[in-house]
Amino acid sequence: AQKITQTQPGMFVQEKEAVTLDCTYDTSDPSYGLFWYKQPSSGEMIFLIYQGSYDQQNATEGRYSLNFQKARKSANLVISASQLGDSAMYFCAMREGLTGGFKTIFGAGTRLFVKA
Amino acid sequence: EAGVTQFPSHSVIEKGQTVTLRCDPISGHDNLYWYRRVMGKEIKFLLHFVKESKQDESGMPNNRFLAERTGGTYSTLKVQPAELEDSGVYFCASSQGMANYGYTFGSGTRLTVV
Repeated sequence: AQKITQTQPGMFVQEKEAVTLDCTYDTSDPSYGLFWYKQPSSGEMIFLIYQGSYDQQNATEGRYSLNFQKARKSANLVISASQLGDSAMYFCAMREGLTGGFKTIFGAGTRLFVKA
Repeated sequence: EAGVTQFPSHSVIEKGQTVTLRCDPISGHDNLYWYRRVMGKEIKFLLHFVKESKQDESGMPNNRFLAERTGGTYSTLKVQPAELEDSGVYFCASSQGMANYGYTFGSGTRLTVV
């Protein structure tokens, strides 16, 4: 069963505007972590942001914030003030279990295009 | 600090041949992972090493795939014999084991089997 769902294969956003990339997940484990990664055209995967299942507040890292709605099992990524360099594939991911080292599962990704 | 290094960056081989991919994790990272992304699909977990031991190899597709991690340092992933459906990008990642840290990924090896 698919555990990470990213329903937007592609998204367009105007430079300097905010964009939300959707992610829903499914797990029965009460302890889990949610991640977003960015993959630019150069191919490397870049870790952006983390949200723990017990975290009370939404995670933020610079222009990135994670809109965590636990009851709805959603973990949307919000990018504020989009820049041309934000054009990339974005993957939502989940790691089940408390300790690091458990495998991470990924969604299919959303390709973001930032227009000048 | 050097990142995760993968070699080669690209490989084109014929069906039936053997290919070996290499990954050098960040020094001191006990956890090493292999993932694969077939064109347009999800990034799929292959296996996880803790030091030199295979912690989880539930994602390995079949016995044509063999992963090793010599002395808990670098890792190799061998595909023998390669099939067309093995084409994709193979990512290696490492982590120190902290739950709230993302992985550090390598740039991947793009494997094309023709």
